[in-house]
Amino acid sequence: GAGVSQSPRYKVAKRGQDVALRCDPISGHVSLFWYQQALGQGPEFLTYFQNEAQLDKSGLPSDRFFAERPEGSVSTLKIQRTQQEDSAVYLCASSLTRTSRSGNEQFFGPGTRLTVL
Amino acid sequence: KNQVEQSPQSLIILEGKNCTLQCNYTVSPFSNLRWYKQDTGRGPVSLTIMTFSENTKSNGRYTATLDADTKQSSLHITASQLSDSASYICVVSVANDYKLSFGAGTTVTVRA
Repeated sequence: GAGVSQSPRYKVAKRGQDVALRCDPISGHVSLFWYQQALGQGPEFLTYFQNEAQLDKSGLPSDRFFAERPEGSVSTLKIQRTQQEDSAVYLCASSLTRTSRSGNEQFFGPGTRLTVL
Repeated sequence: KNQVEQSPQSLIILEGKNCTLQCNYTVSPFSNLRWYKQDTGRGPVSLTIMTFSENTKSNGRYTATLDADTKQSSLHITASQLSDSASYICVVSVANDYKLSFGAGTTVTVRA
């Protein structure tokens, strides 16, 4: 079946521009995660949704970052007034269950590579 | 702070040879450890998962080991193929927490 998809795959933005990154999780997956992955590093947690509820946004680096999942399916990560340090790959992952059980596998999308000039 | 350290940072091997990647962690309380493979331009894909009581887990030519006492894990790749060229990330889960602790990854390049 279809996996997690993300769009666009690549985005180049001028500093100060706003961007919106989209994530389509696996159908029926309750939990959705956003991660930021710098070059040569492992992903860093940004935020977590359970259905439409954003239960944890502790990883968002500043108030310029905003995420939503209004209908409990597709999610959008928005970055306002982009800065050069925002350049990274943004990964989205989904998992099946609604609980916080740590054994559940997270399925990752291909990521969006954001470059801020 | 929960940490996951991987070594080496990168390695190059000839096709058909074996290699072993290392992962040390300080995550506590421990729930499980996964090795992910991340191809260039792709998201990570889970290769193996091990819980506290498991010492070894295989997935084809990939064999992972876990020593929960010393908090060390390894991923062994047997008879490497060109398609094994990727980044391999060690990911540790904290008990009763959805957050994952990621290592920085080991970049493996397999050459013909």
